[in-house]
Amino acid sequence: AAGVIQSPRHLIKEKRETATLKCYPIPRHDTVYWYQQGPGQDPQFLISFYEKMQSDKGSIPDRFSAQQFSDYHSELNMSSLELGDSALYFCASSLTGRGNYGYTFGSGTRLTVV
Amino acid sequence: DAKTTQPPSMDCAEGRAANLPCNHSTISGNEYVYWYRQIHSQGPQYIIHGLKNNETNEMASLIITEDRKSSTLILPHATLRDTAVYYCIVRLDRGSTLGRLYFGRGTQLTVWP
Repeated sequence: AAGVIQSPRHLIKEKRETATLKCYPIPRHDTVYWYQQGPGQDPQFLISFYEKMQSDKGSIPDRFSAQQFSDYHSELNMSSLELGDSALYFCASSLTGRGNYGYTFGSGTRLTVV
Repeated sequence: DAKTTQPPSMDCAEGRAANLPCNHSTISGNEYVYWYRQIHSQGPQYIIHGLKNNETNEMASLIITEDRKSSTLILPHATLRDTAVYYCIVRLDRGSTLGRLYFGRGTQLTVWP
């Protein structure tokens, strides 16, 4: 079965650079979520999109932005990167009305800022 | 969404049942109990969820107390591949989009041979 695809798997950037993370949800899933997991930390919600509109916003820095495109894939754009942005970034997707089954996470993008 | 309390770590012998407890004393009547696990640095994986009744699937069983203030996730025959952090999450089923999940500290389960 198709899963949530994230790219790239690994990314190394320097401070003050920009990074773009991509997420391809499970086909026909209409909601995408982004989570950040710092070293030794638990996943923290960043932002979500439903039908290409932002549906919820968590502790996402102003330097970050995200959007969901017409094909439902989503991109997380991170500018002016800081060392503290080094983390695993997970994307998850779900289908409206199937909430009881939780949602499916991708394998994540490991961002290292040097 | 109600808060949960889990032991930080547990261990279990391979082949034995692993029983992971979770306290959610402030749970409200229409909040579900979800369990996810995260194997080192992989994306969290859905395991099971329930409202009132005990639930079982191919991965695990979920036992919810009658007052719903606590629950136990049971892995009936733990294997080394079950070593992971297990998260108990209580959340409202809004019937549409799920909304965010609040991951607490979770329980690090270590299965030893």
